[in-house]
Amino acid sequence: EDKVVQSPLSLVVHEGDTVTLNCSYEVTNFRSLLWYKQEKKAPTFLFMLTSSGIEKKSGRLSSILDKKELFSILNITATQTGDSAIYLCAVTQGGSEKLVFGKGTKLTVNP
Amino acid sequence: GAVVSQHPSRVICKSGTSVKIECRSLDFQATTMFWYRQFPKQSLMLMATSNEGSKATYEQGVEKDKFLINHASLTLSTLTVTSAHPEDSSFYICSARDWTDSGNTIYFGEGSWLTVV
Repeated sequence: EDKVVQSPLSLVVHEGDTVTLNCSYEVTNFRSLLWYKQEKKAPTFLFMLTSSGIEKKSGRLSSILDKKELFSILNITATQTGDSAIYLCAVTQGGSEKLVFGKGTKLTVNP
Repeated sequence: GAVVSQHPSRVICKSGTSVKIECRSLDFQATTMFWYRQFPKQSLMLMATSNEGSKATYEQGVEKDKFLINHASLTLSTLTVTSAHPEDSSFYICSARDWTDSGNTIYFGEGSWLTVV
């Protein structure tokens, strides 16, 4: 059965800390891995990763994919209270546009 | 980037009535859209794949007669919750892939909160 596992499920940090969120997957015919941030509404797109070892970066957020070990990490440096959200990892498979989601990591950044 | 719009963002309906939720791709065409459901503190669960011009494909356990999906054009898919009951109260989200985007990114609508009273 295809699955996406995120860890930790929840995380509480202080402003300024650096966090690393993990996403491992077991799917057939992997095509891409996506990270989303969900606050009170629908998820907003962060990154899409298709190739191993190539870091994608956007401001304080960065992500990388390891297709050999079947995982991805999302790093957030110098966290701010506005980073508090649920971070979702999802995987797509070849021949399908479906997203297989992990359960998410709830990040709380305290002032 | 591409935009997917959902309407309404919030709706309250009486038990036994039907509710329609619209999902539009605003600046791209989407032959396929996806409908998800999310319960509080849970992840998104795929309900069905909406295919333009043909029948939707439902995930196991999703009642197709209860959750009617129509994808009448390349920019619009609708989800109708028929004979709604309180247990149908949830957050419903649609998504679509923009193939014209260099990253072929999947975008989500803003979501629709349904409360059945």
